[in-house]
Amino acid sequence: SQQGEEDPQALSIQEGENATMNCSYKTSINNLQWYRQNSGRGLVHLILIRSNEREKHSGRLRVTLDTSKKSSSLLITASRAADTASYFCATDESNTGGFKTIFGAGTRLFVKA
Amino acid sequence: EAQVTQNPRYLITVTGKKLTVTCSQNMNHEYMSWYRQDPGLGLRQIYYSMNVEVTDKGDVPEGYKVSRKEKRNFPLILESPSPNQTSLYFCASSFSTSTGGGETQYFGPGTRLLVL
Repeated sequence: SQQGEEDPQALSIQEGENATMNCSYKTSINNLQWYRQNSGRGLVHLILIRSNEREKHSGRLRVTLDTSKKSSSLLITASRAADTASYFCATDESNTGGFKTIFGAGTRLFVKA
Repeated sequence: EAQVTQNPRYLITVTGKKLTVTCSQNMNHEYMSWYRQDPGLGLRQIYYSMNVEVTDKGDVPEGYKVSRKEKRNFPLILESPSPNQTSLYFCASSFSTSTGGGETQYFGPGTRLLVL
């Protein structure tokens, strides 16, 4: 099952503009995380938001979580060319005695200098 | 330095020839996981492990095996690789929370596998 789904699939903006990416999921969660990937490299963790939190900030990143709508958004403010990458949301899906991690298909962000 | 290492980084093999991709972490993490990444599909979880000797299937476990005999190591085994297992593979690890949810996952650099 593919729980997290990002929207849009691709986004192209000018340097200095803001970029917003959305993620929807299907089941109840403990945490939702956002990751960044540069062109086939390993993923880098950006931010984690817990199910009892509504908003979180980290530098130029702002993440919101709406558990009633099962959705999250990632806002990158004042984007830079170096922000060009793919961004993924990931949720945990509880299993008996553990949890699976479900990634979305990702949003490809291209920031033009 | 805290890290997740994978070996090999690149591998070309032929159908049916058993192979193992190793994964090791030095952060004393309980949770370890294997993913495959294919174009347009994001990352899909193959297997995960909550702790030593505790493993479970992810979304795409067919054709793969894992073991967790030590906390730091989580090898991925392909007993009889097939061309549809050509992919980019990532290992990751994290702490587990007392509530059972996930924490920040740290990823290895990836292993590119081509099965002919």
